[in-house]
Amino acid sequence: AQSVSQHNHHVILSEAASLELGCNYSYGGTVNLFWYVQYPGQHLQLLLKYFSGDPLVKGIKGFEAEFIKSKFSFNLRKPSVQWSDTAEYFCAVNVRGGGNKLTFGTGTQLKVEL
Amino acid sequence: DTAVSQTPKYLVTQMGNDKSIKCEQNLGHDTMYWYKQDSKKFLKIMFSYNNKELIINETVPNRFSPKSPDKAHLNLHINSLELGDSAVYFCASSLRDNEQFFGPGTRLTVL
Repeated sequence: AQSVSQHNHHVILSEAASLELGCNYSYGGTVNLFWYVQYPGQHLQLLLKYFSGDPLVKGIKGFEAEFIKSKFSFNLRKPSVQWSDTAEYFCAVNVRGGGNKLTFGTGTQLKVEL
Repeated sequence: DTAVSQTPKYLVTQMGNDKSIKCEQNLGHDTMYWYKQDSKKFLKIMFSYNNKELIINETVPNRFSPKSPDKAHLNLHINSLELGDSAVYFCASSLRDNEQFFGPGTRLTVL
């Protein structure tokens, strides 16, 4: 079975700082990769996804992620964070042809200070 | 124009009671899901239905029974509620294996 690791559980940054959140998965087959964001008290929203093609994926709100197959990684980046980016970030994986069962990482709580 | 909606938003009940959570999507998707988010924010899939057919059934107590009357609805019924059932339950939907859209969640508190 696949698993997802997010190594940074809590991250605190100042506004305008750069962000990189780590995500590694374990599965030998073909996967689709996702980053979701959960703002305080809200539901999960899709930030970006990777299915195939260019491994550098751009999402909403200035976020991007790079799929590095050899490292089983899909790290999330943003060059300059804003206070409104304060939220919980989840990396998720599903196996192609596996019934779209999403396996989530444990999440990273990001706090951006003014 | 709500895409995935759930009712109720909050549910507070006593141990041993039976309760249901309803989910509806108006996106025309063919697959719907239930996830449980625990107090540490960890999300885990419980069930998935495709065209009213159960396709994912994770290790969930049989006190939890999903029901899909049609493609747009997936309800979750829970019998004999226990303290450990307290969590936020999210419904989601997708078109086949594409990205999932999540509902606002139902915060269940069992006293």
